[in-house]
This record gives sequence, structure tokens and C-alpha cells, in this order.
Amino acid sequence: GENVEQHPSTLSVQEGDSAVIKCTYSDSASNYFPWYKQELGKRPQLIIDIRSNVGEKKDQRIAVTLNKTAKHFSLHITETQPEDSAVYFCAAIEANQAGTALIFGKGTTLSVSS
Amino acid sequence: GAGVSQSPSNKVTEKGKDVELRCDPISGHTALYWYRQRLGQGLEFLIYFQGNSAPDKSGLPSDRFSAERTGESVSTLTIQRTQQEDSAVYLCASSLGPGLGWYGELFFGEGSRLTVL
Repeated sequence: GENVEQHPSTLSVQEGDSAVIKCTYSDSASNYFPWYKQELGKRPQLIIDIRSNVGEKKDQRIAVTLNKTAKHFSLHITETQPEDSAVYFCAAIEANQAGTALIFGKGTTLSVSS
Repeated sequence: GAGVSQSPSNKVTEKGKDVELRCDPISGHTALYWYRQRLGQGLEFLIYFQGNSAPDKSGLPSDRFSAERTGESVSTLTIQRTQQEDSAVYLCASSLGPGLGWYGELFFGEGSRLTVL
């Protein structure tokens, strides 16, 4: 099955700095890579995703890059703000006869101090 | 409803008792997923239902865990003979999909927090 590794587990930055979170996956057939943000005490929510036919996708201050050859993808947050403080999860697809499921990394706790 | 609804929001039980957790997905969503999140930990995949296909139970941690889904509607996750290590938030999510091979955004519920004493 799919195995997703995520680093670092915690990340502390000053407001205005950039933050980068990296993930690797094991299944070379996986072709969809979303990122979810979970604020304290709340449900995870999708913030950006990328499909394997592109190498980079950007949405305002956040961007995701994908290297299919190396089987890794990264989340980049620029000009961080205190409200970016949350746990971020990367995920990859596991597909089998029953269908598809999202397998998540263990999460990165991002703290942005002002 | 407008979102994924889970009940109960909180459940405290004694070790050895059975518990049932319920999930109402967004209307029209054919895929439904259960995840477990222990305190400060990641999202551990448990089981998913997709359309009329047999569910993928590969993530269930033991035979004490089971789940059912009525058509493309409500799902129930049952934990028998609960143990203290079952204490966690159980998150349900649903997504819109026509069936096998489709993927997209998961919409999560607020979760059911289970505490086993």
C-alpha cells in the first residue's frame, strides 16, 4: 500500500518568512497529491492540490511542487502570517480494486510568531 | 445538511463496552471515508466505501472494528470491546465521485471524540 512520509514534524517561523514542508510517497502509480490544513480543534480542510500532469501549482501565497521521478512533493507558504499556524497534512492516493483512498502523512505543526 | 455530520460529538465509555459512531455524508457524495486521529497525531486511514463496491477494510486495526454503510447514505463505525488505545477522534469524510478511479476533495465532519476509561 501507499506510504507517505512528511517532514518536518514541527516548524517555527517568524511572520513574513517562508515555510516549506516536504513529503515523499511510495506508490509510483499515485497521481493526485493534496494538502490539508487543520486548525486547532477544527476539521481538516483542503488548501491546494496537484495532479501528476503538472510540476507546480500556485494559489496566492501557497504553492505546491511535484517531482514524480523522485516521488516527492512540497508545500511552500510565502509571507507567512499568524493565521497560517496550524497542522498541515500531505496525502497521496492509494488505488485498489475497491476504489481509491487518501493516505495522509503524519502532519507538520507550523507555528508563525509575530 | 450542508456538511458532513457526525454523532456523537463526544463519547466516554468504559473499557470493554461497545460503541457506535455515526456519519451522515453530504447528500450526493458517493464516497465515504473513516479516519482515526489520536491526540497530536496524524490521520490514520481506517475504511472507505465507494459507490456500490465492496468497502476497503485494509486500514481497520483489528477485528473489533467494523463499519457499515446504507446505500450511499449513513455510515456506522462500530468498535467492540473497547480498549484504552481506542481513545481518539474518529473523523468521517465524504467526496463526490462517480466511482472507481475518481478522486477529489474530501469534506470532513467535526469528528467524534472517543474516550475509553
